[in-house]
Amino acid sequence: KAGVTQTPRYLIKTRGQQVTLSCSPISGHRSVSWYQQTPGQGLQFLFEYFSETQRNKGNFPGRFSGRQFSNSRSEMNVSTLELGDSALYLCASSLVGSRETQYFGPGTRLLVL
Amino acid sequence: GESVGLHLPTLSVQEGDNSIINCAYSNSASDYFIWYKQESGKGPQFIIDIRSNMDKRQGQRVTVLLNKTVKHLSLQIAATQPGDSAVYFCAEANSGGSNYKLTFGKGTLLTVNP
Repeated sequence: KAGVTQTPRYLIKTRGQQVTLSCSPISGHRSVSWYQQTPGQGLQFLFEYFSETQRNKGNFPGRFSGRQFSNSRSEMNVSTLELGDSALYLCASSLVGSRETQYFGPGTRLLVL
Repeated sequence: GESVGLHLPTLSVQEGDNSIINCAYSNSASDYFIWYKQESGKGPQFIIDIRSNMDKRQGQRVTVLLNKTVKHLSLQIAATQPGDSAVYFCAEANSGGSNYKLTFGKGTLLTVNP
């Protein structure tokens, strides 16, 4: 069974731009969570989607948004990029009946210049 | 507030030795704990988990110990191998909470010397 896939793997943007990251969960997984990882703050929860609905949200500004499609694939968007948004963005998926056990993708490395 | 912290940011061991990575948590409502391993350039990889109704769980070469009295979690790796070199994160969650999410510690860098 294929793991969680994320595209693109690397991205360079400039301040003020917006970016969209994509995540395809493990087949059969319907819950998708997004995390931001930085050296200073570590892994921080962004949001979780299930059945195309945002089920939970972390403490990030409204510039960070996401959505989930009917096939469970998810995208996250960051608008008006700031230098501090440079990070590794990780997507994790889990089974409906095992929400706690999350399996991570390789991440998208975003650099904002 | 919720927080998960690690006692040691780095750990260096010799190949073949046993490794112990520690983690402290502060949310007494947390009832589920996970250890992840993250190698350079990769996402976190699930290692082992434990629920609060247990104090020990064993996997292949790994054991997780949970001490709820002092809110302490540890990961023991037996016969550590060079391939075990990575950053190890503990994470906690309240599985019964309406706003379920994993809260991660800062991570411990494990270096295995051949």
